[in-house]
Amino acid sequence: DTGVSQNPRHKITKRGQNVTFRCDPISEHNRLYWYRQTLGQGPEFLTYFQNEAQLEKSRLLSDRFSAERPKGSFSTLEIQRTEQGDSAMYLCASSLEDKDTDTQYFGPGTRLTVL
Amino acid sequence: AQSVTQLGSHVSVSEGALVLLRCNYSSSVPPYLFWYVQYPNQGLQLLLKYTSAATLVKGINGFEAEFKKSETSFHLTKPSAHMSDAAEYFCAVSNDYKLSFGAGTTVTVRA
Repeated sequence: DTGVSQNPRHKITKRGQNVTFRCDPISEHNRLYWYRQTLGQGPEFLTYFQNEAQLEKSRLLSDRFSAERPKGSFSTLEIQRTEQGDSAMYLCASSLEDKDTDTQYFGPGTRLTVL
Repeated sequence: AQSVTQLGSHVSVSEGALVLLRCNYSSSVPPYLFWYVQYPNQGLQLLLKYTSAATLVKGINGFEAEFKKSETSFHLTKPSAHMSDAAEYFCAVSNDYKLSFGAGTTVTVRA
């Protein structure tokens, strides 16, 4: 059972450019989450998919951010017109829907640096 | 919404000594609680999970945590620290399908 994978692992971009990150969840997992982690802080929830449906977006997710999960498998997170404040680690997690609560398994993250 | 607070942003222990990381939760309903570990430039790895089946939860790498409702706590312990335990540790609570994390505690292990 392979874990959650994310690509790229690192991305350096100039302010104003667009970037896209990819997440491949554990194959049978129907739920997928994106979190953002800034230096010295815990991860903060950004958005959540159940299969291909995006069910919630955090207020942290401005209009410049968009996420998709077109076939209920991999997901992409795009940031348009990047700003220096977007510099962070972007973490993806996946889980299998459970009657109690899901256990989320995290990928290695994509570290974004906006110059 | 449910939340967690981690007490102490840094903990330094000697190799072989007890590791104690503190987490308190705020919840109006029985919570689902988690401890994750993060090594430098890596994602989060699940250490253990509390789902009300047992108040003492054993996890990987010799860690365990005890749920105490009277103290609203879910502290993480390990009897004997190893150099490989140096990492950042996060307590989290489940709010429906999403996790809310504490600010984290960085553990350093002295030889």
